[in-house]
Formats: sequence, C-alpha cells, structure tokens
Amino acid sequence: DIQLTQSPSSLAAFVGGRVTISCRTSQTISTFLNWYQQHPGKAPKLLIFGVSRLRSGVPSRFSGGGSGTEFTLTISNLQPEDFATYFCQQTFNTPLTFGGGTKVES
Amino acid sequence: QVLLVQSGAEVKKPGASVRVSCKASGNNFITSEINWVRQAPGQGLEWLGLVLPMTGNTDYAQKFQGRVLMTTNTSITTAYLELTRLTSDDTAVYYCAIGEARGQWFDPWGQGSPVTVSS
Repeated sequence: DIQLTQSPSSLAAFVGGRVTISCRTSQTISTFLNWYQQHPGKAPKLLIFGVSRLRSGVPSRFSGGGSGTEFTLTISNLQPEDFATYFCQQTFNTPLTFGGGTKVES
Repeated sequence: QVLLVQSGAEVKKPGASVRVSCKASGNNFITSEINWVRQAPGQGLEWLGLVLPMTGNTDYAQKFQGRVLMTTNTSITTAYLELTRLTSDDTAVYYCAIGEARGQWFDPWGQGSPVTVSS
C-alpha cells in the first residue's frame, strides 16, 4: 500500500496569513494526488485534483504543487472559512489511501 | 451536478451486519464509479472499495475482503454498502463518493451515515 504522510498534523494560522501543508508519498504516484477540505461534522470536499488543478468554484487562494513523492497545498490570504482539516489522497493504485490530515486552527 | 443522499444513523451490536444506502440524483449513475470511505471518530479517512453500477464489478480493499459487499440498483440509482461481522472498530461515519475521471478524484461526497457498534 502507498503511505501518505502529511505534515504538520496541526498548525495555527491567522486570517490573511499563508499556510503550506506537505504530503509525502511512499512511492512515486505521477499526478494522482488530490486535496480535500473537511469541516467538523461535514463530508470532505474536493479542492484540488491532479496535483495542481483547482476544482471549479474553489477560490484561487488555494493552490497545489509538487512532484515525485513530495506535494504541497498552499492557502494564501487565509479566510475564516478556511479553518478546517485538510487531507491528501493518492489514486495511483488501489487501495486508495489518504494522508492523516492537517488541522488548520486559529 | 450529481447529489448523493445517504441513509441515516445506525446502531448495531457486535457480530451484526449493517447496510448503508447512497442515492444519486442526476443522469450519469449507470456510468459512474461509487466509492465508499469511512472515518472513525477523530480519525482520518479510510477507503473500503468501489463498485461500478454498469457492470456490478467491485474492487475491495484487502482489509475488508470477505465481510464487505458493495452493490447497486440502477433502476433507483442507489448504491449499497453492507458490512458484516461488525466490531467496535467499525464504529465510524461511512461516506459514498463519486470517483470522477475513472476514479482519479472523488467529487461529490454523500453527507455521511454514522454507524455505531456497541453492545
């Protein structure tokens, strides 16, 4: 199974700030890397797919990058609604796996 | 866009089985890919497997082989997850999600179905 290691597991940020979350995979996965946002008690929502492609309707302050086994999610100009938990996911092969999550707190 | 509406909360005893449903709106159910993901309290996301409504083909995570069954009823555009021989470790919120572009990403997700296993 492909392991995804996210870091940090949590971070403190402020409105207007910038945060970067890392996702490291145990093997190369081409561009099969996605990012999801989850608020407490809610289902995850797709933010970014294929490493860097922004889902329609997602604000441009979200961006994804990386290659090989190192990937990042960056949120610029953090807004109040961005305080949530973020997960990376690989869909390179089954079993599909997720990172452990990063909680962005105020 | 497709909307997924799941069944409600369930409470089961250890050793029992549970079935969760996921009804899809929209026109593309037959050609879609339905994935099932669970999230234990305070934990991360765990993929259980997928089912293809057109063929009924499934791909299960090895961890659940032998006690998971994913099916669909295309006439009512509904997918089902059945999990047998439940233990307290199966207490979680179970989500269905559409696998877009032949499963390359999940969008949208259902609202989740809480399952509690307790004696």
